[in-house]
Amino acid sequence: TQLLEQSPQFLSIQEGENLTVYCNSSSVFSSLQWYRQEPGEGPVLLVTVVTGGEVKKLKRLTFQFGDARKDSSLHITAAQPGDTGLYLCAGAQGGATNKLIFGTGTLLAVQP
Amino acid sequence: GAGVSQSPSNKVTEKGKDVELRCDPISGHTALYWYRQRLGQGLEFLIYFQGNSAPDKSGLPSDRFSAERTGESVSTLTIQRTQQEDSAVYLCASSLARGPLHFGNGTRLTVT
Repeated sequence: TQLLEQSPQFLSIQEGENLTVYCNSSSVFSSLQWYRQEPGEGPVLLVTVVTGGEVKKLKRLTFQFGDARKDSSLHITAAQPGDTGLYLCAGAQGGATNKLIFGTGTLLAVQP
Repeated sequence: GAGVSQSPSNKVTEKGKDVELRCDPISGHTALYWYRQRLGQGLEFLIYFQGNSAPDKSGLPSDRFSAERTGESVSTLTIQRTQQEDSAVYLCASSLARGPLHFGNGTRLTVT
């Protein structure tokens, strides 16, 4: 069974602080996606990383895919209250399937 | 419609009753997914439909759970003889064959 472990599980920080969320697995994924979910809604895609070592930036968010395509990180610079939510990584197995295995989630609260 | 639609949005049922949850995917999306999410946690894969291929049912937790999809449109997830541990949010998503997942807002199931 493929598992994606995220750390930390919970994070409460002050506005303006930086933070990093980690997503780790013993399995190799063809690609990895990051989603953010707000209460009462479904997850919304933030980014997809495909190549080992790839770094993508989305405003204050920086995503990195590990060289071996087994892990990923999400770094947020100068967090804002609007960044509050549940962050989920999800790995794709590749091949003929588009099935995603989701991580355990990181609940982020940014206090004003 | 513009997005994935799920109904009902909330369902309260008594232990032992059967429930049916409905998902209307985005028109033209060939893939459809069901996930289960316990409070504040990640998404647990249940089942994946892709076009006319046999569905991937590897995530269904017991034989009380089943799902059907009519062609490339609506899907229903059925839970028979519900138990309290079935209480969760059930999320449906759809995608193009290789595209990102678009989620509905989920059905919150409470078994009393």
